[in-house]
Amino acid sequence: DGGITQSPKYLFRKEGQNVTLSCEQNLNHDAMYWYRQDPGQGLRLIYYSQIVNDFQKGDIAEGYSVSREKKESFPLTVTSAQKNPTAFYLCASSMLAGGRTQYFGPGTRLLVL
Amino acid sequence: GQQVMQIPQYQHVQEGEDFTTYCNSSTTLSNIQWYKQRPGGHPVFLIQLVKSGEVKKQKRLTFQFGEAKKNSSLHITATQTTDVGTYFCAVPVSGGSYIPTFGRGTSLIVHP
Repeated sequence: DGGITQSPKYLFRKEGQNVTLSCEQNLNHDAMYWYRQDPGQGLRLIYYSQIVNDFQKGDIAEGYSVSREKKESFPLTVTSAQKNPTAFYLCASSMLAGGRTQYFGPGTRLLVL
Repeated sequence: GQQVMQIPQYQHVQEGEDFTTYCNSSTTLSNIQWYKQRPGGHPVFLIQLVKSGEVKKQKRLTFQFGEAKKNSSLHITATQTTDVGTYFCAVPVSGGSYIPTFGRGTSLIVHP
């Protein structure tokens, strides 16, 4: 089946710890995105990538880092510099043309202990 | 910052009543997309509107793009409990990158 997978579904982070969220897609999409969702805030863009080995900051990139070593994979690291990391993290992918319709993964819920 | 304002933030309806959510932009849009997110789920693409005054229907859902391409609406006729969720509009970021920027969403609660 074609689609986007994210793991883990739930993740707990201790204070001062970096954690990495996985995102894999087999849709052959060039572009991949990371969004953060908080209640009542909608979806806010953290980082996006349009090609392997290149990525750009979104609206709320501080405290996060990404890599794009393979077309299929776009992992997100939540660093200890992110002071309020508890949120629902959504990964998406799209083609570069045609309005960039977003195909989302199931999401990862991150909770700070 | 936000490129689009979406209202209302919440809407409670009795099953069978109609529902409408609106997205408004201060700038002319090249297109607008609508997504639905069920409780506990992830957003799913519903439709994209491109043309001025465009109206598209999907069963009980009617999507409209304004004549000036600055606003859009999603109307659901005779809501059902399966319509529960949050409906988001998304518009291209100004400046040409075409990355969609999402509105804050309208959460629809349907009371049986």
